[in-house]
Amino acid sequence: GAGVSQSPSNKVTEKGKDVELRCDPISGHTALYWYRQSLGQGLEFLIYFQGNSAPDKSGLPSDRFSAERTGGSVSTLTIQRTQQEDSAVYLCASSLGRNLQETQYFGPGTRLLVL
Amino acid sequence: GDSVTQMEGPVTLSEEAFLTINCTYTATGYPSLFWYVQYPGEGLQLLLKATKADDKGSNKGFEATYRKETTSFHLEKGSVQVSDSAVYFCALRSMNTGFQKLVFGTGTRLLVSP
Repeated sequence: GAGVSQSPSNKVTEKGKDVELRCDPISGHTALYWYRQSLGQGLEFLIYFQGNSAPDKSGLPSDRFSAERTGGSVSTLTIQRTQQEDSAVYLCASSLGRNLQETQYFGPGTRLLVL
Repeated sequence: GDSVTQMEGPVTLSEEAFLTINCTYTATGYPSLFWYVQYPGEGLQLLLKATKADDKGSNKGFEATYRKETTSFHLEKGSVQVSDSAVYFCALRSMNTGFQKLVFGTGTRLLVSP
């Protein structure tokens, strides 16, 4: 079946602009995660959604970052007033549920470049 | 907090050489352990996993054993191929990290030459 998809695959923006990144998880997966992969920080967790529960936002680096998940499926990560240090690959993953043994399946990522 | 430490790369090997990529972790409780691989231009893929002590995960000729006594999960392959060239990430997941997030190591780049 279809895997996790993300759009756009690449995004170039100017400093100070807002950007929206989209993630379509695997159908039926209730858990959705956002991670960021950057040269200086490696792979770091940003936010986690599980069903209708309140999201775990503990990894968001600043209040310029926010995310929502509509209808328990598609998620949008929004970065307001982008800064050059926001340049990174943003990865989305989904898993069937919250069991520790379940695998997280990753999308191809959105490569963001802030000029 | 929970953390994962991987050996620095790049690791450069000739085809058919033996591979070891070291990974150690710090965690309270009993985390699940994973190796993910990222091939050039592609997304992260799960390579193998182990969910309890002494479990051995294996896939595509790669193996890793969950060693609780040494808090390690080293990745090994007996004979690497050029197509194994990629970045390998060790990761853990436990409730102590907050819900279900993965904690990753910094990644180790493997370069295999013919």
